[in-house]
Amino acid sequence: DTEVTQTPKHLVMGMTNKKSLKCEQHMGHRAMYWYKQKAKKPPELMFVYSYEKLSINESVPSRFSPECPNSSLLNLHLHALQPEDSALYLCASSQDRANSPLHFGNGTRLTVT
Amino acid sequence: AQTVTQSQPEMSVQEAETVTLSCTYDTSESDYYLFWYKQPPSRQMILVIRQEAYKQQNATENRFSVNFQKAAKSFSLKISDSQLGDAAMYFCAYRSTPWSASKLTFGTGTRLQVTL
Repeated sequence: DTEVTQTPKHLVMGMTNKKSLKCEQHMGHRAMYWYKQKAKKPPELMFVYSYEKLSINESVPSRFSPECPNSSLLNLHLHALQPEDSALYLCASSQDRANSPLHFGNGTRLTVT
Repeated sequence: AQTVTQSQPEMSVQEAETVTLSCTYDTSESDYYLFWYKQPPSRQMILVIRQEAYKQQNATENRFSVNFQKAAKSFSLKISDSQLGDAAMYFCAYRSTPWSASKLTFGTGTRLQVTL
């Protein structure tokens, strides 16, 4: 069982739609991450939140908007996406220690039509 | 910027045998952390093993062990007594310090097949 829960598991959306990806963890972790993974590629970091504040934005286009309402929740709001944004979106969390490994969710498979 | 290289796109091992996956990295930092993650078809990234750069002793976790060569910037993963459940994509990853919420950089991955 994964300790990081992502919903939905699959999402198909049109280029004019607005949708949100959700991530939840109850391990008391204070750092949360969004990664994007294309097929047969490694995950690429998008955003990092530390203590509910955005600490890293890897030059992600503004059509992706992250939100961290509290220490357990992480959202990724999607608007006006392009077909090339189709990918697996992984959420992760970790403790606030440098040697703490990331705990990943099962991801949301996003298809933009 | 740190880079992580996995030179073996695919590897194959027979059940019960031993296999070694290679990983090299490039960094100018002296203190950092290294990880191996596996990603089975279920998609979830699962931590296999981690190594602190300041520790000379190689990390071990049951059938998994690493050969960490800091001077050579090499971090290989050895899987002993391979099992069918070990079949997955394996990613080597690098994380700098001291900030805890720092970036985890992944290598390109090695797909491991386990045959009977």
